[in-house]
Amino acid sequence: EVKLVESGGGLVQVGGSLRLSCAASGFTFSDYEMNWVRQAPGKGLEWVSYISKSTRGTSIYYADSVKGRFTISRDNAKNSVYLQMNSLRAEDTAVYYCARDQSGSYYYVFDYWGQGTLVTVSS
Amino acid sequence: SSELTQDPAVSVALGQTVTITCQGDTLTTYSASWYQQRPGQAPILVMYANNIRPSGIPDRFSGSRSGNTASLTITGTQADDESDYYCCSRDSTVSRLGVFGGGTKLTVL
Repeated sequence: EVKLVESGGGLVQVGGSLRLSCAASGFTFSDYEMNWVRQAPGKGLEWVSYISKSTRGTSIYYADSVKGRFTISRDNAKNSVYLQMNSLRAEDTAVYYCARDQSGSYYYVFDYWGQGTLVTVSS
Repeated sequence: SSELTQDPAVSVALGQTVTITCQGDTLTTYSASWYQQRPGQAPILVMYANNIRPSGIPDRFSGSRSGNTASLTITGTQADDESDYYCCSRDSTVSRLGVFGGGTKLTVL
């Protein structure tokens, strides 16, 4: 059974940092690209970041709203993907989901999602 | 960056057919995927590549695309289908960037 379990969320002050983790199981983690998607309270889904399969020659992308502040990484030996969040703003308050990528050349697909971890940025 | 536009809310009578649409220029190049999200739960993939249904998704869900508009149709809508639905695709300029529509809240009457 595919499982994605996020952790690391919590309450942090504006300007602070948090590191989110997503532990994967039930599939060969190194065979899949991964993403982070977030959802502010009462709002829609927002794509945040992507990381390719390999830790060598890694391809990484960020939404403009987090570029320069967030860093995605992965450890295939630990079956985990991470999101280091620095210089946090109130508008970063959201549930953060990790999602497995099953995209094709002409479509973006997240076939499995974790249950999410809540990040609250307080002023 | 690309944008995807969805109607904020749609309603349908129990047992009837409803279509949820997603509009954006990127859809003329890239296909859409669709996600169902119930309150307090993580999203679930219900359609991808415009019209491919993942295993386990009922066949009352179907998808299509015409021009810059992708559609998700539910035939014989059930009470359990009441959810938020989001479309998603690739950014038209930097294809590895993802973009979601604003979501459609489906109410089953």
